[in-house]
Amino acid sequence: RKEVEQDPGPFNVPEGATVAFNCTYSNSASQSFFWYRQDCRKEPKLLMSVYSSGNEDGRFTAQLNRASQYISLLIRDSKLSDSATYLCVVAGADSWGKLQFGAGTQVVVTP
Amino acid sequence: DGGITQSPKYLFRKEGQNVTLSCEQNLNHDAMYWYRQDPGQGLRLIYYSQIVNDFQKGDIAEGYSVSREKKESFPLTVTSAQKNPTAFYLCASSIAVGGNQPQHFGDGTRLSIL
Repeated sequence: RKEVEQDPGPFNVPEGATVAFNCTYSNSASQSFFWYRQDCRKEPKLLMSVYSSGNEDGRFTAQLNRASQYISLLIRDSKLSDSATYLCVVAGADSWGKLQFGAGTQVVVTP
Repeated sequence: DGGITQSPKYLFRKEGQNVTLSCEQNLNHDAMYWYRQDPGQGLRLIYYSQIVNDFQKGDIAEGYSVSREKKESFPLTVTSAQKNPTAFYLCASSIAVGGNQPQHFGDGTRLSIL
């Protein structure tokens, strides 16, 4: 079983709509969680860190569910520029907190 | 501008050849990392370095080597022993090694076999 699993998508979303997707992780001792955005053939860029209380940054909301071992990302009022692959990243509980990357969820926002 | 610079953007390797990918950062970060990304897969860790003159193997270190002689620089050599080197290589850095530290990436090097 992969340590971090994501639905690859694509999630096709009309402009202005809301889209949400989850990421599950296998290590219950994981301590830190992040969402990165990766555009086609570009490097990943940090979108947001995920705190235990959940956090919001503009149109983006991230939630952590430790009991069920998943994190979620919700995008409201989708823009064409939100089209990208969203990578779920989980830090392990080992001494140096190695990051485990999911393979990504592709979101395509259509006019 | 502060950031991470990788070069070259594209690189072609001949059979039996070693090639070196450059990674330089001016963020004053202690920790640096090398990842490989293949289509449909998550990033996989090749090597990481917590501090100058120290580095550790990641999950897929075979066929690769690194050095960390300066804080700013963490070059990766893809040796001829790496039989499937075609991939997108990403260098990253963070303030320190630690799971609560997000990593920031350079814009990558695409390596292909000639």
